[in-house]
Amino acid sequence: DSGVTQTPKHLITATGQRVTLRCSPRSGDLSVYWYQQSLDQGLQFLIQYYNGEERAKGNILERFSAQQFPDLHSELNLSSLELGDSALYFCASSAQGVAGVDTQYFGPGTRLTVL
Amino acid sequence: GENVEQHPSTLSVQEGDSAVIKCTYSDSASNYFPWYKQELGKGPQLIIDIRSNVGEKKDQRIAVTLNKTAKHFSLHITETQPEDSAVYFCAASDSYQLIWGAGTKLIIKP
Repeated sequence: DSGVTQTPKHLITATGQRVTLRCSPRSGDLSVYWYQQSLDQGLQFLIQYYNGEERAKGNILERFSAQQFPDLHSELNLSSLELGDSALYFCASSAQGVAGVDTQYFGPGTRLTVL
Repeated sequence: GENVEQHPSTLSVQEGDSAVIKCTYSDSASNYFPWYKQELGKGPQLIIDIRSNVGEKKDQRIAVTLNKTAKHFSLHITETQPEDSAVYFCAASDSYQLIWGAGTKLIIKP
């Protein structure tokens, strides 16, 4: 158990809908990362937050947005969903948000299925 | 920016044999190289990492080697066991981001 929690574990929805994925980082970690993993694919970095502020942005679509709240939990919002958005979405956390220094600890993921 | 290539995409080895997975990176400024293991239905988990001031690091049956001149690093697993079956990801850090390899599916044959 990494200490990172994600809810829900599974999510099934229809095209055009909007969903929110939630992540709670490990106790004491200030940075949160979001990744997308499509079937049998690698990890695609979406976005990183550090102590409430956006720190880095990867291949995140304009239909997707995220935020980190004062209690450090984070939410990833996916809107106007398409079939191709079906994937595993992982949240990771690290202490200081410095990739060359911190270890990233991953949550168990949310499996999103868009029908 | 940084680019990480990982080979092979699939590796099948006999139980008890060794497995080697290789990654190359493009940015000579990268200084941190972790390896993650992802078991089916779970999130990736760090298994070993190495920094650019070290050439080799071992942890029981797992070792990582780094060649800064050639810009490549490798994961070595000795005496493979069934529980080593998983997808392994390498990554390299250039600043705030980890750049990930595409992953290697390791299959341990009984």
